[in-house]
Amino acid sequence: DSGVTQTPKHLITATGQRVTLRCSPRSGDLSVYWYQQSLDQGLQFLIQYYNGEERAKGNILERFSAQQFPDLHSELNLSSLELGDSALYFCASSNGGGNTIYFGEGSWLTVV
Amino acid sequence: AQSVTQPDIHITVSEGASLELRCNYSYGATPYLFWYVQSPGQGLQLLLKYFSGDTLVQGIKGFEAEFKRSQSSFNLRKPSVHWSDAAEYFCAVGSNTGNQFYFGTGTSLTVIP
Repeated sequence: DSGVTQTPKHLITATGQRVTLRCSPRSGDLSVYWYQQSLDQGLQFLIQYYNGEERAKGNILERFSAQQFPDLHSELNLSSLELGDSALYFCASSNGGGNTIYFGEGSWLTVV
Repeated sequence: AQSVTQPDIHITVSEGASLELRCNYSYGATPYLFWYVQSPGQGLQLLLKYFSGDTLVQGIKGFEAEFKRSQSSFNLRKPSVHWSDAAEYFCAVGSNTGNQFYFGTGTSLTVIP
């Protein structure tokens, strides 16, 4: 158990819909990272937050957004969903400064 | 630009045989290097990491990796593979600021009896 908690574990939704994925980082970790893993794209970095503020942005679509709350949990919002958004979405956390990032078990999103 | 290359998409080894998974990185500063393992349907678990010091690092499950700056490599090794080692292995490079971790495309390991 990495200490990073993600909910929901599985989610099936229709095209055009909006979903929210939630992540609770390890106790004490200030940084949260979001990754998307799909068969054709591999593990893609989406975005990073540090203590509530956006720190780095990767290949995140405009239809996607994220935030980190004062209690340090984070949410990834995916809207206007397309079939191609079906993937495993990982949250990871670290205490910053280049230290190890620890992954949650992921949220499986299926768009039908 | 920072990047990580894992040249082997898929590797098959016999149980008990030795294993080496290759990883090459491109990074402008001193890299922080990691190997993660992902079993089917699971998250990524840290195997080992290199920040500084001894270039040969030991990890969990009997894995080790060697940092070679001159070759920009961080290859993962195990002297004797077990069937339970079958999984996807990811090499990653990070910065000392903790901003972004770049992952390779992964190497899928199959272990045959």
